[in-house]
Amino acid sequence: KNQVEQSPQSLIILEGKNCTLQCNYTVSPFSNLRWYKQDTGRGPVSLTIMTFSENTKSNGRYTATLDADTKQSSLHITASQLSDSASYICVVSANNAGNMLTFGGGTRLMVKP
Amino acid sequence: GAGVSQSPSNKVTEKGKDVELRCDPISGHTALYWYRQSLGQGLEFLIYFQGNSAPDKSGLPSDRFSAERTGGSVSTLTIQRTQQEDSAVYLCASSPYYSNQPQHFGDGTRLSIL
Repeated sequence: KNQVEQSPQSLIILEGKNCTLQCNYTVSPFSNLRWYKQDTGRGPVSLTIMTFSENTKSNGRYTATLDADTKQSSLHITASQLSDSASYICVVSANNAGNMLTFGGGTRLMVKP
Repeated sequence: GAGVSQSPSNKVTEKGKDVELRCDPISGHTALYWYRQSLGQGLEFLIYFQGNSAPDKSGLPSDRFSAERTGGSVSTLTIQRTQQEDSAVYLCASSPYYSNQPQHFGDGTRLSIL
């Protein structure tokens, strides 16, 4: 069964600190992996997308890594800001089609001043 | 606006009533997706429209759920005889023809069944 597990479920950090969110998956065959940011009451917004051959991708203060051998990904947030408070969702695609996405349960991040 | 628009943003209804949720995708996007997000849970795939192809309805949880996409644009998700377990946020997303994955999400409809 295709699964995506994220950890931690929730995280509180102080403004300006860095943090790393984890995503482990068992989706097969692997096509790509996306990280989304979802603000409370809003729809998810795509941060990064990585295919099998990519092992790191950055989007501003967000850097995602992918190890396709161990089936693990991480999202590193540098110099956190209050606006980073949101849920971060890892999504893995089995065949590059929207009907074959497996969503993780998300990590709820709270950045405090 | 330029994004995916969903309406209503909130809907409260009594158990047993029918509800219709609307999604206006980004103009020109051929693919449209519906997902359900229950409190504290990951997104659950419901249905996927791609151009003029037959929709993938494999994620619909029961025959009380149905969706249409008229003219390749606006989509309506209908839930008949609502149950309390249908309470969730229903998210719509769209993407252009060259992408088979949801690129732009709406802000969802929060459905509460009393």
